[in-house]
Amino acid sequence: DIQMTQSPSSVSASVGDRVTISCRASQDISSWLAWYQQKPGKAPSLLIYAASSLQTGVPSRFSGSGSGTDFTLTINSLQPEDFATYYCQQADSFPRTFGQGTMVEFK
Amino acid sequence: EVQLVESGGGLVKPGGSLRLSCAASGFTFDSYAMSWVRQAPGKGLEWVSGISGSGVSTDYADSVKGRFTISRDNSKNTLYLHMSSLRAEDMAVYFCAKWGDYYESYIGWGQGTLVTVSS
Repeated sequence: DIQMTQSPSSVSASVGDRVTISCRASQDISSWLAWYQQKPGKAPSLLIYAASSLQTGVPSRFSGSGSGTDFTLTINSLQPEDFATYYCQQADSFPRTFGQGTMVEFK
Repeated sequence: EVQLVESGGGLVKPGGSLRLSCAASGFTFDSYAMSWVRQAPGKGLEWVSGISGSGVSTDYADSVKGRFTISRDNSKNTLYLHMSSLRAEDMAVYFCAKWGDYYESYIGWGQGTLVTVSS
């Protein structure tokens, strides 16, 4: 199985900050990576697919990059509604494993 | 509008069984692979099982293989997860999710149904 490792597990930030979250795959997954946002008590929602493509309706302050084994989610100019937990997920093979999540908290 | 509505969660004793359902609407159900993803209290997301649009192909996480069975009834636009030999560690909110082939990601999610395993 492909293991997905996110870092950091949590980050404290303020409105307007730039936040970077990393995700590493245990083997090459090309660009088969998605990022999701989850708020407490809610289902996840898709932010980024194919490592760097922005899902329709997602603000442009969100961006994704990377390929192979190393990926990054960047949130530019953090907004109050962005305080949430973020997960990466590989789409290369089954089981479709998730990273352990990164909580973006208010500083 | 895509809608996925899970049901069937509840309290079950260790070793017991439960069947979850996910009613889909707003899209051509049999054209999409579907999955179950769970989230234990205070924990992260765990992929549980997936099924192709036709229902022919299925996959399972090692943690549930041999105990859980995923299926679908395309005539009823419904996804199922039959869970048996339930353990305390199976306690979680179970989400059904719609796979988007173009997006290679989950493009739709239900609100989740809670499964509690306790004696």
